[in-house]
Amino acid sequence: SQTIHQWPATLVQPVGSPLSLECTVEGTSNPNLYWYRQAAGRGLQLLFYSVGIGQISSEVPQNLSASRPQDRQFILSSKKLLLSDSGFYLCAWSVKGDVDGYTFGSGTRLTVV
Amino acid sequence: GQQLNQSPQSMFIQEGEDVSMNCTSSSIFNTWLWYKQDPGEGPVLLIALYKAGELTSNGRLTAQFGITRKDSFLNISASIPSDVGIYFCAGHSQGSYKLIFGSGTRLLVRP
Repeated sequence: SQTIHQWPATLVQPVGSPLSLECTVEGTSNPNLYWYRQAAGRGLQLLFYSVGIGQISSEVPQNLSASRPQDRQFILSSKKLLLSDSGFYLCAWSVKGDVDGYTFGSGTRLTVV
Repeated sequence: GQQLNQSPQSMFIQEGEDVSMNCTSSSIFNTWLWYKQDPGEGPVLLIALYKAGELTSNGRLTAQFGITRKDSFLNISASIPSDVGIYFCAGHSQGSYKLIFGSGTRLLVRP
């Protein structure tokens, strides 16, 4: 069966420090991958999505970047965190052409102090 | 771009009451989905709808795909404390890689 792993679960980082959040999917190949951010008590904002290795689409201009170095690995990064980067970050995957398979990871709560 | 308007933003109800929430869109979707997010977790798919007019149930949950393809509603009957969470609608357009999510309905259930 397919599983999605996200880590770390929680992270407290100072302003100006770098960030690296990792997401991996098991049990499938060539998935679509997504990074979402959820501010406290708010909806889901799509940050990046990827349809293949090295293919990244950015949805909103921001202080973050994403990379897909391997088929089932999706990384969210920042060189210098801002206070406004705090939030709950969710990774998700889907089978190509199958929107039902939009499965979320358990999330990373990032607090920038 | 496409937007989904989800209402209400929050609901605080008594255990045993029925709940209704809905989403409307400015454009047509081919698929409507409803997700539930427990506190501190990622959203989990509850119901998927594929055809205009479709009515689908999953236990105490019932959802409908609006005939105009621009709206959907979710009903929860006889609510229980474990129904607490944030419910999101999501729409998908043909040929798109992305789901468009509503802003969520926060449900609190008083025992």
